[in-house]
Amino acid sequence: QITLKESGPTQVIPTQTLTLTCTFSGFSLSTSGVSVGWIRQPPGKALEWLALIYWDDDKRYSPSLKSRLTVTKDTSKNQVVLTMTNMDPVDTATYYCAHLYVSGSCFDYWGQGTLVTVSS
Amino acid sequence: QSALTQPASVSGSPGQSITISCTGTSSDVGSYYLVSWYQQHPGKAPKLIIYEGSKRPSGVSNRFSGSKSGNTASLTISGLQAEDEADYYCCSYAGSTTWVFGGGTKLTVL
Repeated sequence: QITLKESGPTQVIPTQTLTLTCTFSGFSLSTSGVSVGWIRQPPGKALEWLALIYWDDDKRYSPSLKSRLTVTKDTSKNQVVLTMTNMDPVDTATYYCAHLYVSGSCFDYWGQGTLVTVSS
Repeated sequence: QSALTQPASVSGSPGQSITISCTGTSSDVGSYYLVSWYQQHPGKAPKLIIYEGSKRPSGVSNRFSGSKSGNTASLTISGLQAEDEADYYCCSYAGSTTWVFGGGTKLTVL
């Protein structure tokens, strides 16, 4: 059974860096073909894909946010970490991590999400 | 990389069928049969209901079906039930290992 759970601060101050951790079980990021992505959703708004990390440490980022995002993995801890620099109030959102289906076509398992508010 | 276009809202009565469209471009929906659909109830995480355009994950009702024509994908829900009231999002692979979501559609069951 695949599960994912996001953790991190509920509030960050503008210009600070956000660090979120996704802890997962039921699969290994050292297995060929496996990958984990990050998606966010501002309150009352649509989903937005942010980043993805593959089992071989290849990484992909949303073109619009690429300069601010970094995704890393700790295979031994079954964790993926997302950092986003220079946070702004418009970055207030629920951040989700999700498992990418083996074919790369969709995100089949999602975490519960964590709401991050950017405010001074 | 712009968001896919979905109607903001659709509605239907119990037992009826509704269709939600998802319009992209030749760079995403039009180029790949890798469209997925998600159902999201308030305060909950999205749930995958359709992948690779028309496939249903195990456990998803066969009342949900997907299709694609050109740059537009569609989700059809037949035999509407009260529990289907939720937000629905489409998602497409957009090349260069990136993905793009739609703006979301709120389904109201009258």
